[in-house]
Amino acid sequence: EAQVTQNPRYLITVTGKKLTVTCSQNMNHEYMSWYRQDPGLGLRQIYYSMNVEVTDKGDVPEGYKVSRKEKRNFPLILESPSPNQTSLYFCASSFGGAVEQYFGPGTRLTVT
Amino acid sequence: AQKVTQAQTEISVVEKEDVTLDCVYETRDTTYYLFWYKQPPSGELVFLIRRNSFDEQNEISGRYSWNFQKSTSSFNFTITASQVVDSAVYFCALSEARDSGYALNFGKGTSLLVTP
Repeated sequence: EAQVTQNPRYLITVTGKKLTVTCSQNMNHEYMSWYRQDPGLGLRQIYYSMNVEVTDKGDVPEGYKVSRKEKRNFPLILESPSPNQTSLYFCASSFGGAVEQYFGPGTRLTVT
Repeated sequence: AQKVTQAQTEISVVEKEDVTLDCVYETRDTTYYLFWYKQPPSGELVFLIRRNSFDEQNEISGRYSWNFQKSTSSFNFTITASQVVDSAVYFCALSEARDSGYALNFGKGTSLLVTP
């Protein structure tokens, strides 16, 4: 089944404790992206990647890191999480950023 | 500045009413892409439609229709004869090319509630 998977789906952590949210797709998509969704703010793009080793900042990259070492994986790294990074995170992939994106199920992160 | 504006935060209609969700975008690019996504209460994001900047033809898909007008930078979405299952948050999005790929900007979403 074609899909985008994210792990974990739910995470509660404490300020400053490094964490990684994994994202994997099985559709051979070149383009992958991370978003955060906050009430009243919609979806905001954190980082995107056009292909392996090609990444760039979206609108809200501060406090996040990404890497794209393999085509299928695009992990989101929070080196030192803070409470303002409490959010719902979505990973998405597509055959390029100009076509429909397939979204993962979301990861709800709480930083206390 | 907000690149995609969805001025309607919440809309409530009674079943079978028609409803239009507004989307106004801002870009200096001549080539760009517009999207609508639906997020039902279950939380997943579902693609509805894509339009490129050179295709102003309106589209109809069942009860859904989209009106793209470059002159007013708008890409509005109409649901005809709304149903309870249409209750969701709807997002309009703009994709613009950058040197390193495509950046996407989503609007803040319009929450649609359809009551029986």
